[in-house]
Amino acid sequence: QLQLHESGPGLVKPSETLSLTCSVSGDSVYFSTYYWGWIRQPPGKGPEWFGSISHSDTAYYNPSLKSRVTLSVDTSKNQFSLRLTSLTAADTAIYYCAAIVGSTRVDYWGQGILVTVSS
Amino acid sequence: DIFLTQSPGTLSLSPGERATLSCRANQNIDTKLAWYQQKPGQIPRLLIYRASVRATGIPDRFSGSGSGTHFTLTINRLEPEDSAMYYCQENGSMFGQGTRLE
Repeated sequence: QLQLHESGPGLVKPSETLSLTCSVSGDSVYFSTYYWGWIRQPPGKGPEWFGSISHSDTAYYNPSLKSRVTLSVDTSKNQFSLRLTSLTAADTAIYYCAAIVGSTRVDYWGQGILVTVSS
Repeated sequence: DIFLTQSPGTLSLSPGERATLSCRANQNIDTKLAWYQQKPGQIPRLLIYRASVRATGIPDRFSGSGSGTHFTLTINRLEPEDSAMYYCQENGSMFGQGTRLE
């Protein structure tokens, strides 16, 4: 059974950069056919997809966030990461990492990590 | 860029009735559409993928249809536990804004 676990800061200051990591167990980031993605959900709002990346670093981004987002994969640690720059209060949300079947669906979600942007 | 528009925003029905939820894409996405159910405090639960394929463990009261730009999620014989937010997602990426089913 594939499991995903997010890690990173719970509180970040405005204008700073957020870095989150997702640790994968039960599958190999390198050999898997999944795309590895990030999705966030602000309080009381719907899910928002950030982007997805394959083991070979082929990445797809949400056009509205693309200028601030970088995804990466570390096959040696079986992890993938999200970097989001120029944070504002509007970036406060629960951030989920996900295993995505290409062009189809999210198969697995992490448990989510609440990130609050506040000074 | 692909955008999804869900309607109605809120749907209020009684147990035993049928719910029909709509999701429209601004361009052709073939059948690359999934539906999720989300209850407060929970992670979204996959209901349907490839527009009409039920996910594992999903009762046959839930059905999906459509292709191209117009998709429908139908829930027959509504039960109180079906009260939730419902989201469509295209291509494993962008989500619609959701429909609240009460």
